[in-house]
Amino acid sequence: DAMVIQNPRYQVTQFGKPVTLSCSQTLNHNVMYWYQQKSSQAPKLLFHYYDKDFNNEADTPDNFQSRRPNTSFCFLDIRSPGLGDAAMYLCATSRTSDGEQFFGPGTRLTVL
Amino acid sequence: DAKTTQPPSMDCAEGRAANLPCNHSTISGNEYVYWYRQIHSQGPQYIIHGLKNNETNEMASLIITEDRKSSTLILPHATLRDTAVYYCIVRVARNTGNQFYFGTGTSLTVIP
Repeated sequence: DAMVIQNPRYQVTQFGKPVTLSCSQTLNHNVMYWYQQKSSQAPKLLFHYYDKDFNNEADTPDNFQSRRPNTSFCFLDIRSPGLGDAAMYLCATSRTSDGEQFFGPGTRLTVL
Repeated sequence: DAKTTQPPSMDCAEGRAANLPCNHSTISGNEYVYWYRQIHSQGPQYIIHGLKNNETNEMASLIITEDRKSSTLILPHATLRDTAVYYCIVRVARNTGNQFYFGTGTSLTVIP
């Protein structure tokens, strides 16, 4: 089945140690999104790619970066994780920018 | 800047209809209303969306008021598996594409 895959499902890192979360999709969708969801809160959009065009939300910290080397893969890099960056990170895709978004299962990040 | 307001929690008896309200009083004419749900520790799942007219699919019905300032998601026969957080989302048109902004969500508990 076509789907959105996130690896790993659980990631533990140390304060200040760079970490990369990955997302892949078999849907061949043009748009890929990264959301941050803290405990008991709604998902918050960090940034998205339309094809290779990167679009950052104005309030996304500089500590968060993203790469999309090809259509199928998108990475979230957290350069120096702080305790406040512990959250579920959700990847989503859509065929077009006005289409339904398909979400992956998320990666739960713990910062020690 | 949340564009939707939802009650934080609701209960519903199994087999009865669950009616989940959402206020979106500042919605613009070309902005769609989407509903997603999130079962614990999973990614959000698409339910339904609409612009002006009422919509129905195999999962739910969406009733949008004539002035478009509010809507109601109806699950016609709630089951225990419908227990989840339900998000009402306004899809906002931006220069960089259409974006989802999640509200705070309603935690629906279906009671046996």
